[in-house]
Amino acid sequence: DQQVKQNSPSLSVQEGRISILNCDYTNSMFDYFLWYKKYPAEGPTFLISISSIKDKNEDGRFTVFLNKSAKHLSLHIVPSQPGDSAVYFCAAKVPATGRRALTFGSGTRLQVQP
Amino acid sequence: EPEVTQTPSHQVTQMGQEVILRCVPISNHLYFYWYRQILGQKVEFLVSFYNNEISEKSEIFDDQFSVERPDGSNFTLKIRSTKLEDSAMYFCASSELEGWLTEAFFGQGTRLTVV
Repeated sequence: DQQVKQNSPSLSVQEGRISILNCDYTNSMFDYFLWYKKYPAEGPTFLISISSIKDKNEDGRFTVFLNKSAKHLSLHIVPSQPGDSAVYFCAAKVPATGRRALTFGSGTRLQVQP
Repeated sequence: EPEVTQTPSHQVTQMGQEVILRCVPISNHLYFYWYRQILGQKVEFLVSFYNNEISEKSEIFDDQFSVERPDGSNFTLKIRSTKLEDSAMYFCASSELEGWLTEAFFGQGTRLTVV
């Protein structure tokens, strides 16, 4: 049951370039989306989120875009830095029902080359 | 910066033994969670806890699992009789009560190895 899918297991970009991480979802009830970053031996760290009433949310170098009709969201990191190298998880939840559980994607490992 | 802390960082246990994983959530948070990640797989929700009771649980969270908030600061996950397939990273998380649109903050995880 893959309600949240990250089809690219890995991505490599050059320092200074844009990193684009993609996420697709199948559950139309999802109403709130989050991106987490995870370093080895650490827990997921919240990066940025977006609710379904928006199509874009920006926080510094990180921007999340949401296309509800396509059930697709993406995380843009500009400019990419070597410290951004980590596994990025897309997550979604259905706050309208009161549920707080996050459904995670399988993650994309980003490698930013100096 | 406040953070969620988990102990121990690594626990090795024999199959069939009981294990208790401990967490100290962020102090002003009122929702607590356990997630797990089996090696090479995605992070999976186990259970959420609010107001001293389970508010939501997944099908993974069967009778072998239980959670407790024994005092004002700790939040524990107990696995009664561990199985080999319980080997995973277990993450505790917490979030504020107010607003549905709040993120969960995760601890660094406990690696459970069942042998």
